[in-house]
Amino acid sequence: EVQLLESGGGLVQPGGSLRLSCAATGFTFSTYGMSWVRQAPGKGLECVSGIGGSGGSTHYAGSVKGRFTISRDNSKNTLYLQMNSLRAEDTAVYYCAKGGPLDDFDYWGQGTLVTVSS
Amino acid sequence: EIVMTQSPATLSVSPGERVTLSCRASQRVSSNLAWHQQKPGQAPRLLIYGASTRATGIPARFSGSGSGTEFTLTISSLQSEDFAVYYCQQYNNWPQTFGQGTKLEIK
Repeated sequence: EVQLLESGGGLVQPGGSLRLSCAATGFTFSTYGMSWVRQAPGKGLECVSGIGGSGGSTHYAGSVKGRFTISRDNSKNTLYLQMNSLRAEDTAVYYCAKGGPLDDFDYWGQGTLVTVSS
Repeated sequence: EIVMTQSPATLSVSPGERVTLSCRASQRVSSNLAWHQQKPGQAPRLLIYGASTRATGIPARFSGSGSGTEFTLTISSLQSEDFAVYYCQQYNNWPQTFGQGTKLEIK
């Protein structure tokens, strides 16, 4: 059974940093692209970043480019999102999804809430 | 960036009814179109990929059609557990983009 478990969310001040993690089980992690999708409170879904299976190919939404970095450790079956220079508009539930930059998302984690506020 | 537009925004329907949700892309996306269902407080769940292929475990009452720029999701007979928000998603181009969602409400 595929499971994706996010962690690392919390309250951070504007300008601060957070690193999100997504632990994956139930599939051969290294052979699949992965993505981070966020949902602001009461809003729709926004794909913020995606990465290929080997980690060599990364993509970012314009709203986060230069501030967020996606990475993966295939030896630990874990996906990461390093978020720097956080802004109030980055406040959202962040979901980890199985599927890369040009794939459908066939499994989603339960999400982790990031709140950027002073 | 490809803009995905869903209609209607909200649909009030009764259990047992047949419903059709629409999704339009601002550029052609071939058949690289998925539908996701999201219930309050839950993560989205994949229903349909490749515009018309049901994901694992999805009941046959859900069906998808279309290609290019016009797509539909049909639920043949609404069950109580189907009242949720439905999002279309194109994955033909980066950034992947979602529609704003269609909310199915109980009439």
